[in-house]
Amino acid sequence: DAGITQSPRYKITETGRQVTLMCHQTWSHSYMFWYRQDLGHGLRLIYYSAAADITDKGEVPDGYVVSRSKTENFPLTLESATRSQTSVYFCASSESGGSNQPQHFGDGTRLSIL
Amino acid sequence: AQKVTQAQTEISVVEKEDVTLDCVYETRDTTYYLFWYKQPPSGELVFLIRRNSFDEQNEISGRYSWNFQKSTSSFNFTITASQVVDSAVYFCALSGNSGYSTLTFGKGTMLLVSP
Repeated sequence: DAGITQSPRYKITETGRQVTLMCHQTWSHSYMFWYRQDLGHGLRLIYYSAAADITDKGEVPDGYVVSRSKTENFPLTLESATRSQTSVYFCASSESGGSNQPQHFGDGTRLSIL
Repeated sequence: AQKVTQAQTEISVVEKEDVTLDCVYETRDTTYYLFWYKQPPSGELVFLIRRNSFDEQNEISGRYSWNFQKSTSSFNFTITASQVVDSAVYFCALSGNSGYSTLTFGKGTMLLVSP
């Protein structure tokens, strides 16, 4: 089924470990985004990508690394996880970079760091 | 800087009541877009509607309606005859004319509809 899929849906890890969250979309959308959702903060942008090999920081990029070697994939890596990174992470994509484009979201990854 | 305020943290209603979710925004852009998303208890985010800054016509889709008022920088969302399935967190978001489609989200309003 076409769309945007995130994996894993749930992840528990320990502080200091590296963890990678995967995002895959089948629409061939140019833009992809990573958000984190926390109580009291709503959704905050971590990183976004305008195309393969083009990425840029969002509002809360510290502690995260992204890459986009292929248009359809946009993995998010926590190189050394901290408890403050416990959150629900959403990947999204949009057809282009125009401000009129709605973003379409994956189902989210619930990440717990112990 | 852009800002979206959803002052209502949580609203509880009984089924069949009408309910309005408020959204107030701030932007310096002359062209911008407003969005509403729904997040049901299952957790996914569902796009509901987009409105551009030049179109102040109200929009109705079934039991949902949206009232955009540029004079008060508001983009309110009304659900008529609410149903239990409307229970969700609703987010208002703003995208400005800054060259790329990053969204600024409000903190969301949790709507609880009881039978």
